[in-house]
Amino acid sequence: EVQLVQSGAEVKNPGDSLKISCRASGYSLTSYWIAWVRQMPGKGLEWVGIMYPGDSETRYSPSFQGHVTISADRSINTAFLQWDSLKASDTATYYCTRREVATRGPYYFHYWGQGTLVTVSS
Amino acid sequence: DTQMTQSPSSLSASVGDRVTITCRASQFISNYLNWYQQKPGKAPKLLIYGASTLQSGVPSRFSGSGSGTDFTLTISSLQPEDFVSYYCQQTYSIPQTFGQGTKMEI
Repeated sequence: EVQLVQSGAEVKNPGDSLKISCRASGYSLTSYWIAWVRQMPGKGLEWVGIMYPGDSETRYSPSFQGHVTISADRSINTAFLQWDSLKASDTATYYCTRREVATRGPYYFHYWGQGTLVTVSS
Repeated sequence: DTQMTQSPSSLSASVGDRVTITCRASQFISNYLNWYQQKPGKAPKLLIYGASTLQSGVPSRFSGSGSGTDFTLTISSLQPEDFVSYYCQQTYSIPQTFGQGTKMEI
């Protein structure tokens, strides 16, 4: 059974660093692209970026480029989203999700982690 | 970026109603359009992919159509559990943007 299990909720101060995780089970992380999606409190879904752990190719939304880093550790089948310096505006729930490819090409996201709530407040 | 304009942002309806949500892309996206349902405090759930393919296990009252830039999600007969939020997403180009969402209200 494919599962994406994310790390627990975090409370941080502005300026802190943070790395949250998404552990994949039931398949090899290196076989599928993994994306991260942000949802600010009471708001919609925002696509952060995506990584192919097989070769570490990574693409970011311009809105998030330079502020977050997506990475993976293939030895523990886990993907990460990290910040070097958090802002209050980073307060949100972050989801990881696996990208699938349909037979005739369209991509979609079927498997999702349960979400990690990040709260940044002084 | 490809902008996804979803409407309406909220929709009042009754159990048994037929409703349609629309999503318009700012540029051509072929059929690279997905629909998700999200319940409060939960991860999104895939309903439709490739604009019109029903994800396995999703009730047949959900259907999708469209190609190019204009797409629709139709719920043929609303059930009580359908009064939650819905999002479209394009996966034709990066960033793989979402619509703003539609909140279904009783």
